[in-house]
Amino acid sequence: DQQVKQNSPSLSVQEGRISILNCDYTNSMFDYFLWYKKYPAEGPTFLISISSIKDKNEDGRFTVFLNKSAKHLSLHIVPSQPGDSAVYFCAASVHAGGTSYGKLTFGQGTILTVHP
Amino acid sequence: DTAVSQTPKYLVTQMGNDKSIKCEQNLGHDTMYWYKQDSKKFLKIMFSYNNKELIINETVPNRFSPKSPDKAHLNLHINSLELGDSAVYFCASSQVQGTTSSGANVLTFGAGSRLTVL
Repeated sequence: DQQVKQNSPSLSVQEGRISILNCDYTNSMFDYFLWYKKYPAEGPTFLISISSIKDKNEDGRFTVFLNKSAKHLSLHIVPSQPGDSAVYFCAASVHAGGTSYGKLTFGQGTILTVHP
Repeated sequence: DTAVSQTPKYLVTQMGNDKSIKCEQNLGHDTMYWYKQDSKKFLKIMFSYNNKELIINETVPNRFSPKSPDKAHLNLHINSLELGDSAVYFCASSQVQGTTSSGANVLTFGAGSRLTVL
């Protein structure tokens, strides 16, 4: 049962345009959401996060939007650069004690290709 | 200076063998994790240790045994390897309180260890 899903396996964008990566989740207990970027032969690296009490968080060219009623979040990259080409993972967590403590649940990733 | 380092990076072995993957973090974090990325590319948590104590143990065959000698190290030992164990295994660490302004638990990952079982 995949609680976090990224339904687009890949996305191709022209340099300078906007990249929009989408993520859906099913567990209403998730209260933190994160985006990670992964280059080949490297581990995922943290990009940006958002708390469930917010609907937007911005960091430079990266903005994450959260729609709790739709259980949907998206990552916007503006403007896109060729160096942004990577696999992007959406992740979610329940920030509470007990057995879920610290556990991140990941989607299957979206391959972003930014063409010069 | 690598923050989370895991060795070996590549491991090719025969079915039935026993192998270990080592992980070390120099970030001073109190929690370490093992994640498995299978052929479908999902990253799934296997284990989590907080200050050497096991706190998350997902449904993983008991052929997999994590060991944390101290809070900077978390090793993964796999007995009687099977074909389905072929995957990339990622070690990660975090300071459970989190460091981002949103308070999320941000994990720092190692580069991964690709295990191929023949």
